[in-house]
Amino acid sequence: QVQLQESGPGLVKPSETLSLTCTVSGGSINNFYWTWIRQPRGKGLEYIGYIFYSGTTNYNPSLKSRVTISLDTPKNQFSLKLKSVTAADTAVYYCARQIIVPATVSSPGWMDSWGQGIQVTVSS
Amino acid sequence: DIQLTQSPSTLSASVGDRVTITCRASHSISSWLAWYQQKPGKAPQLLIYKASNLKSGVPSRFSASGSGTAFTLTISSLQPEDFATYYCYQYNSYFYTFGPGTRLEIK
Repeated sequence: QVQLQESGPGLVKPSETLSLTCTVSGGSINNFYWTWIRQPRGKGLEYIGYIFYSGTTNYNPSLKSRVTISLDTPKNQFSLKLKSVTAADTAVYYCARQIIVPATVSSPGWMDSWGQGIQVTVSS
Repeated sequence: DIQLTQSPSTLSASVGDRVTITCRASHSISSWLAWYQQKPGKAPQLLIYKASNLKSGVPSRFSASGSGTAFTLTISSLQPEDFATYYCYQYNSYFYTFGPGTRLEIK
């Protein structure tokens, strides 16, 4: 059974870059989309973006200018970088595995496995 | 962008009740909708995919239906562990979006 685990600093200063890594164990990076989602305290879920195992990425338009998601296949890891952070970026950040919808041409589907989440606070 | 709305935003119910949560999409999303359950301090858990398919291992008291722009999630007989927040999620077209959530609380 695949497991995902987020890691990274829990505190980031305003204007700096938030960097998180998700380590995937018990399964392969191949043939899935790998996704970051965040949730401010007491609020709903926001889709940040994904990276396909081939390296293709796609980002939330509202974050696109600040986000980079990358993949390290040999390490079974993928990462999130969010630059120029503000207090509005304070949230629990989740990594997740997103399946390819069956019988489609590699269309992203639902998230079937999630990490436990990591709280990131932006504060000086 | 496709917007999802959920109703009600909060639902008070008792153990044993039958409850229904509605999710509406701003444009047709065919059956490309999933439902998640989230408990405080935990990651969301998949319940339903492709509008009405129950994930393996999810109790059969959960069911869902719908297509196009209107979807429902029904819990036939509420159990204590079902009190949580429920989110719908569309993967019809990028960028993918979640509904605002329905908090199911004990009456």
